Amino acid sequence: GNSVTQMEGPVTLSEEAFLTINCTYTATGYPSLFWYVQYPGEGLQLLLKATKADDKGSNKGFEATYRKETTSFHLEKGSVQVSDSAVYFCALSDSMGAQKLVFGQGTRLTINP
Amino acid sequence: DTAVSQTPKYLVTQMGNDKSIKCEQNLGHDTMYWYKQDSKKFLKIMFSYNNKELIINETVPNRFSPKSPDKAHLNLHINSLELGDSAVYFCASSAGLAGAYEQYFGPGTRLTVT
Repeated sequence: GNSVTQMEGPVTLSEEAFLTINCTYTATGYPSLFWYVQYPGEGLQLLLKATKADDKGSNKGFEATYRKETTSFHLEKGSVQVSDSAVYFCALSDSMGAQKLVFGQGTRLTINP
Repeated sequence: DTAVSQTPKYLVTQMGNDKSIKCEQNLGHDTMYWYKQDSKKFLKIMFSYNNKELIINETVPNRFSPKSPDKAHLNLHINSLELGDSAVYFCASSAGLAGAYEQYFGPGTRLTVT
């Protein structure tokens, strides 16, 4: 079945550091890929998405590129802020069938001032 | 205006009780979902409904029964609560079933079974 694997957390960085959170997936067909973010005490919010190979999703300084050849969708940001501290989830959605979201295990990110 | 709302936000109850969690969305979406997030933050889909019809039922125990009285509401009823049911439950909605649609999540209901 479909699955998503994220890098183990937690990740702790200093403000203005470069961020990469790795995400790889296993899927049949052509899934859509997502990054969701969960701030403390809140529900998940869509951060960015890509629906086909080589698409780049971007939002709030975050970027991720859909790489079919490496089955990856790594999240990057050039200069993180304290307000980026949250849990980040990589997810995929089936292109066929019931099209449910399958999530990775989440990566907790803490940014220190 | 809250797009997806859930009540209650916190629910503490004893084993064996029956409880319900309510979810409402004001986005005009056709599809709604229930997810369970365990203590390690792992999120897994439980159910999805499209136009009040059950689409996904992910091998959830029969003690869990979703009810969709209309497209804007998807409630979750849990019978005979067990310790392992303690988790955060999230409701979500999307404009359609197609995989590219964004899902909008509610704030979650933290259920604690003692």
